[in-house]
Amino acid sequence: DAGVTQSPTHLIKTRGQQVTLRCSPKSGHDTVSWYQQALGQGPQFIFQYYEEEERQRGNFPDRFSGHQFPNYSSELNVNALLLGDSALYLCASSARDRGRFANYGYTFGSGTRLTVV
Amino acid sequence: TQLLEQSPQFLSIQEGENLTVYCNSSSVFSSLQWYRQEPGEGPVLLVTVVTGGEVKKLKRLTFQFGDARKDSSLHITAAQPGDTGLYLCAGAGSYSGGSNYKLTFGKGTLLTVNP
Repeated sequence: DAGVTQSPTHLIKTRGQQVTLRCSPKSGHDTVSWYQQALGQGPQFIFQYYEEEERQRGNFPDRFSGHQFPNYSSELNVNALLLGDSALYLCASSARDRGRFANYGYTFGSGTRLTVV
Repeated sequence: TQLLEQSPQFLSIQEGENLTVYCNSSSVFSSLQWYRQEPGEGPVLLVTVVTGGEVKKLKRLTFQFGDARKDSSLHITAAQPGDTGLYLCAGAGSYSGGSNYKLTFGKGTLLTVNP
């Protein structure tokens, strides 16, 4: 049973460039969340997609945008890259939440390591 | 802003020792989740605790959720080198109203178990 798949695994970009990261959720999951994990820090919530719409967003600038496709896969786009965007970007999927809170655990992918130079 | 503080930040012990790591917050969460992350990998869910005062056991790991739903602890008995990793706690939801699907993570406890 394939878990969460992310691509690419590593990426090096130059300041000012744009990047697209991709995520395929675990089979049976329809909700996708994106997190940014800087070195030595815990993951920070970027946004969550459900039914092809952004359901909730964290404290990230508009340079960070996303999309969810009908097959539940998702993309994270970052424009005008800054050195501070260098981090591990994690995708997490879950089955449809039955309540108002994320009380059901998420399945994370191995992440995309983005380095901005 | 909801913050989760984990302690200790680093822990290095010998195989066979017991240890406890802590996760504390000033906010009330609907649940707390514990994850373990190994280098180059994403976090892997260990357990979710939902009810205040709840205790869950997973083999040598014991998880507890505080009565006030603001804190949690993870106790490992007879640690093994395979337990090495970054232990992250994450709070889900809040009681400030509305829906809240994000996880708020602590910075983690980096555990090294030496053979």
